[in-house]
Amino acid sequence: LAKTTQPISMDSYEGQEVNITCSHNNIATNDYITWYQQFPSQGPRFIIQGYKTKVTNEVASLFIPADRKSSTLSLPRVSLSDTAVYYCLVGDPFFNAGNNRKLIWGLGTSLAVNP
Amino acid sequence: GAGVSQSPRYKVTKRGQDVALRCDPISGHVSLYWYRQALGQGPEFLTYFNYEAQQDKSGLPNDRFSAERPEGSISTLTIQRTEQRDSAMYRCASSLGQEWNTEAFFGQGTRLTVV
Repeated sequence: LAKTTQPISMDSYEGQEVNITCSHNNIATNDYITWYQQFPSQGPRFIIQGYKTKVTNEVASLFIPADRKSSTLSLPRVSLSDTAVYYCLVGDPFFNAGNNRKLIWGLGTSLAVNP
Repeated sequence: GAGVSQSPRYKVTKRGQDVALRCDPISGHVSLYWYRQALGQGPEFLTYFNYEAQQDKSGLPNDRFSAERPEGSISTLTIQRTEQRDSAMYRCASSLGQEWNTEAFFGQGTRLTVV
């Protein structure tokens, strides 16, 4: 399993762009990178997923360099409602045997958006 | 239903009692996951099912924990002879596909408190 490292916390202000970087130095060839968002008292919610280069959806962008040893979640023009914990997960979607499903979520990055 | 439904939302039980936590996944979703989440921590994988088959239960802490999904839909996580250390938020998630990177939808969770 690829271990991930993220900052424990980040602070930002409304309207700013926020970039959260996740390190995954031992990512394997078949691994995908997925980000989830979790608001207090709610279950995690899928944000975005990618394998390489850049992925963009209506919520965020995900930048993955060529070596794939890190990835950056970019949230454009954050608002107070983006205050949440963000988790980076790495794993092989086609390896269905035991260990792959035990995705290690870690502590995530607690993002606080201030007025 | 529209989302993953878990019941009860809150459960307080005395030490030594058995509890059963229910998860009703999104209709048609193949995979179902159980996680446990302590306050301030990321979700901790417990077990998962593809249809009615329990694919991996290695995340279950000990033999007091068991789960089933007999008809490939609703799942029950049972904890026998509960202990105070079992107190946590128990979350269920389901996904349409069998690959782990298929977007997982989480329920609101069951807050278990063992007194």
